[in-house]
Amino acid sequence: GAVVSQHPSRVICKSGTSVKIECRSLDFQATTMFWYRQFPKQSLMLMATSNEGSKATYEQGVEKDKFLINHASLTLSTLTVTSAHPEDSSFYICSARGDRYQETQYFGPGTRLLVL
Amino acid sequence: AQSVTQLGSHVSVSEGALVLLRCNYSSSVPPYLFWYVQYPNQGLQLLLKYTSAATLVKGINGFEAEFKKSETSFHLTKPSAHMSDAAEYFCAVSEGFGNEKLTFGTGTRLTIIP
Repeated sequence: GAVVSQHPSRVICKSGTSVKIECRSLDFQATTMFWYRQFPKQSLMLMATSNEGSKATYEQGVEKDKFLINHASLTLSTLTVTSAHPEDSSFYICSARGDRYQETQYFGPGTRLLVL
Repeated sequence: AQSVTQLGSHVSVSEGALVLLRCNYSSSVPPYLFWYVQYPNQGLQLLLKYTSAATLVKGINGFEAEFKKSETSFHLTKPSAHMSDAAEYFCAVSEGFGNEKLTFGTGTRLTIIP
């Protein structure tokens, strides 16, 4: 149980285009989802927290207009990187928290974004 | 505010030897503590968690960790290392139910020597 998927696993795009990453909780309802960014050989940095049906809460320094987060249902959250630039290239990981074991976040497999 | 310190960004142990990965935390309230493992190009997998129940917590793959309040530590151990244990390990802290935001340590890369 507590499986989280992400799609795509890897994406390459041109500078200036937008990229959407999906995060799904497969066997539980995720009341809260989190989006992280991880640079090579570094730890995870929390970008934003999203609750189903409400606006995401962004961490300090994260541009909400650049990283659009939608949490339209209890099993799906999306992160859209708008007008991507090479510096946005990174590993993006989502996590989800459900009603059971509410203190625990379950992580997706991550999405590798490369902006050319 | 909460923080996590993982001593040793790289740890190498021989196959069959004891694994000890260190984690110290700082939290203004009783913490929840977690260990996650990350294999290359993958997300994080929960190894074990402490949520104010038993101080000795057993997790998957033979790992365990002990919460020591007096030392503000939550070190991860495994009696006998296996080659498949080679990975990056992250310790994380949250301020408990109602504030599930995780603060991660910088990670420890575990290498197993054949």
